[in-house]
Amino acid sequence: SQQGEEDPQALSIQEGENATMNCSYKTSINNLQWYRQNSGRGLVHLILIRSNEREKHSGRLRVTLDTSKKSSSLLITASRAADTASYFCATALGGSYIPTFGRGTSLIVHP
Amino acid sequence: GAVVSQHPSWVICKSGTSVKIECRSLDFQATTMFWYRQFPKQSLMLMATSNEGSKATYEQGVEKDKFLINHASLTLSTLTVTSAHPEDSSFYICSAPDRDNYEQYFGPGTRLTVT
Repeated sequence: SQQGEEDPQALSIQEGENATMNCSYKTSINNLQWYRQNSGRGLVHLILIRSNEREKHSGRLRVTLDTSKKSSSLLITASRAADTASYFCATALGGSYIPTFGRGTSLIVHP
Repeated sequence: GAVVSQHPSWVICKSGTSVKIECRSLDFQATTMFWYRQFPKQSLMLMATSNEGSKATYEQGVEKDKFLINHASLTLSTLTVTSAHPEDSSFYICSAPDRDNYEQYFGPGTRLTVT
């Protein structure tokens, strides 16, 4: 079974709005990563947040991690149509660097 | 960042034939590569870990005789789908890790359609 589960499964917003996606996981992790996948393409690494970190920023992306709740969120601010893609969280369990992926959130940003 | 390529990008083959997919690390050496499979609107499922110079490690439920993996050099891993069937149709993605920062570099994927 998957370690990470994203929520919501799908999200449709207007350009300029913020998009928030959540990821919950079950066991202790080494780190958590967010990836983006355009339809029919490979994955692009967005952000890695370690278990001892609480928040990271990268451009319009903001990732938070709450290890007590075993959850993470990805916030995309001022969304653009080009942000339309599927977003996956992936967790690396303690001692491992191999990511285990959730089902993903499908984001559609309407121009 | 590091680049991983895959070849071919897509392939259509007849049921019963074998298909080879290549995964190359273009600007770094990868002693380990990972092969994933992704069905439409599904997540990536790890199939196997490819180890340079030794046997691959397969995840539970993945048939090693059907999905042959060869990691003959530090920059090339191949996945051969033997006697392919329509249910093997999927998107196959490889990745190579940067062990220092736990980042994975993913290939663009290969879409396999078995008719």
